Amino acid sequence: NAGVMQNPRHLVRRRGQEARLRCSPMKGHSHVYWYRQLPEEGLKFMVYLQKENIIDESGMPKERFSAEFPKEGPSILRIQQVVRGDSAAYFCASSPSAGGSYEQYFGPGTRLTVT
Amino acid sequence: GEDVEQSLFLSVREGDSSVINCTYTDSSSTYLYWYKQEPGAGLQLLTYIFSNMDMKQDQRLTVLLNKKDKHLSLRIADTQTGDSAIYFCAESMGNNDMRFGAGTRLTVKP
Repeated sequence: NAGVMQNPRHLVRRRGQEARLRCSPMKGHSHVYWYRQLPEEGLKFMVYLQKENIIDESGMPKERFSAEFPKEGPSILRIQQVVRGDSAAYFCASSPSAGGSYEQYFGPGTRLTVT
Repeated sequence: GEDVEQSLFLSVREGDSSVINCTYTDSSSTYLYWYKQEPGAGLQLLTYIFSNMDMKQDQRLTVLLNKKDKHLSLRIADTQTGDSAIYFCAESMGNNDMRFGAGTRLTVKP
């Protein structure tokens, strides 16, 4: 059973370009979470999705950021018109169900560098 | 404070015990977690504890919870060089809102 997969692992974008980060949850998991980790900081929650639904996007910046988890295919975190401050590691996690002690299984992350 | 707090660095000698401390924020947090992050990798869940427990032991790992002080610790017995990593404390009320500390970088010297 493959773990949570994220690609690309490293992404370099110039200011103003778009970044697309992909996350394939573990098999059988229908809940996906995106986190951002700035250098020397912990993970900050961004968004929680189920298939075709955004459940909680309270941690997502209001502009330029969007996320989706279509019926088929991976979850996508999209950042439009990237700025230097978007440089960070973006982690995706999945779980089989929300709440309880169901732990979130993390992917290896995508490290975004904006030049 | 509003943040889950951890000291940033800890250095121990191989074979010694490591104790990583964390202060969390919300007394109504139901679950408290310890995650391990190795270089270039995602977070791996090491263990978690329910808020109605004081202690949990799992092989070399011992988690202690002082709910009154909102203090959580992770003790690693017989620390090995392979234990070198960043350890994150996290709290949750059992919903999707999981809050992480900044991580403690553990260095194990031979």
